[in-house]
Amino acid sequence: AQRVTQPEKLLSVFKGAPVELKCNYSYSGSPELFWYVQYSRQRLQLLLRHISRESIKGFTADLNKGETSFHLKKPFAQEEDSAMYYCALRAAGVAGNMLTFGGGTRLMVKP
Amino acid sequence: GAGVSQSPSNKVTEKGKDVELRCDPISGHTALYWYRQSLGQGLEFLIYFQGNSAPDKSGLPSDRFSAERTGGSVSTLTIQRTQQEDSAVYLCASSLVFGQFFGPGTRLTVL
Repeated sequence: AQRVTQPEKLLSVFKGAPVELKCNYSYSGSPELFWYVQYSRQRLQLLLRHISRESIKGFTADLNKGETSFHLKKPFAQEEDSAMYYCALRAAGVAGNMLTFGGGTRLMVKP
Repeated sequence: GAGVSQSPSNKVTEKGKDVELRCDPISGHTALYWYRQSLGQGLEFLIYFQGNSAPDKSGLPSDRFSAERTGGSVSTLTIQRTQQEDSAVYLCASSLVFGQFFGPGTRLTVL
């Protein structure tokens, strides 16, 4: 069975500081990894996925299969980045590609 | 276009009562998922529908939970004889190929 772990429940940084939200996974096959974000009083929304290798709102994430990690990074945090961040894994063929989520990390960016 | 919608946005019920939660997916999306977001528990998968295929119910926590999807569109999640531990935010998501789009959720409180 697949599993996603986000070791930090809360991450607090100052504006302008670098941010790294950790995500580790376990899955025997070839996974597809995502980061979802939930701003206050808003719905969960897709931030980025590893396949597209894109940068969204200054965030990037690289899939490291050797370390089974998919950490989310941003060089300079902004106050508007404060939100809940969820790492998710999609295992192709399992329950129609349902997502397995980590427990989430709350990012607080202080002024 | 319109995103995924869910109703009601909030539901307060008494222990032992039945509740129905509704999800309207994005038009044309063939896949529909239900998740539960409990305080401190992250998101857990409940059930998945794909087109006219039999649903995957592997995530349902007990036989008090059931769901149906009519006409390949609207879905209803039913919880019978609600218990206090059923209190959570119930999220619906729909998908066409990849990247699940989430609704705003229904916050269920069982007194």
